[in-house]
Amino acid sequence: DTAVSQTPKYLVTQMGNDKSIKCEQNLGHDTMYWYKQDSKKFLKIMFSYNNKELIINETVPNRFSPKSPDKAHLNLHINSLELGDSAVYFCASSQDLRTDNEQFFGPGTRLTVL
Amino acid sequence: GESVGLHLPTLSVQEGDNSIINCAYSNSASDYFIWYKQESGKGPQFIIDIRSNMDKRQGQRVTVLLNKTVKHLSLQIAATQPGDSAVYFCAEILLSGGYNKLIFGAGTRLAVHP
Repeated sequence: DTAVSQTPKYLVTQMGNDKSIKCEQNLGHDTMYWYKQDSKKFLKIMFSYNNKELIINETVPNRFSPKSPDKAHLNLHINSLELGDSAVYFCASSQDLRTDNEQFFGPGTRLTVL
Repeated sequence: GESVGLHLPTLSVQEGDNSIINCAYSNSASDYFIWYKQESGKGPQFIIDIRSNMDKRQGQRVTVLLNKTVKHLSLQIAATQPGDSAVYFCAEILLSGGYNKLIFGAGTRLAVHP
C-alpha cells in the first residue's frame, strides 16, 4: 500500500543514452512533482503537474521531459544523458496546489551516468 | 534570491540530549515553513510546519520556532533517539509565477550517539 512509488530504484547507464523513471501515487492527489537531489544532498524542484497540466518548469534542460498520462502518474524521460545528470530523483505528490498541503515523497531513484 | 540555508552541516548529539537544528531563510515574503526528515535511502518525510503568523509550534518531541525579524527557523528535538539520526531540511513555500513551490535548504545531518 505504498503511497508514492518510483521505478527503478537504481539506474546505471552510459552517457548519451535515453532513460525513463516512472512515478505512481495511490493517494488520489491532483498535484505531482519531480525533484533532483545532488551529491551534496541539495534538493531542488524540477517540475510540477496539476491534473496532468504542467505548472512549474524550473528551467530544466529540454532533455528532460515529464509526461503525465493521468493524475496518478508522472514519468520523467531524459534524453542524451550527461554525467551531470547523476543524482537522486524524487517524485512527490500533494492533494492540490494549496500552500499548506503536505507533499509526500517517493523513495527516490538513484541515477548514475557513466 | 531564492535560498534557504543552514548554519550547521553536521550535528552530533548523545542519545537522550536535546537537539537544535537551525535554518536561515532569505525570502521575507514567505509565510509557510516546513521541516523534513530524510533517512538514508529514503525520501524526505514531513515533520512539522509553521505559518508566519506563529512563532512557535509543538509536535510530539519536536518544536519549531520562527523568528521573522531575523528570518530564522529552528527545529528542537527533545530526548533525541538513535532513530532521529537523519538529514533534516527546512523548506519555505515561495510564490513563483502564480504558483507555490517548495524551496529546500541545504540540510543538516543529525548523528545520535549512544
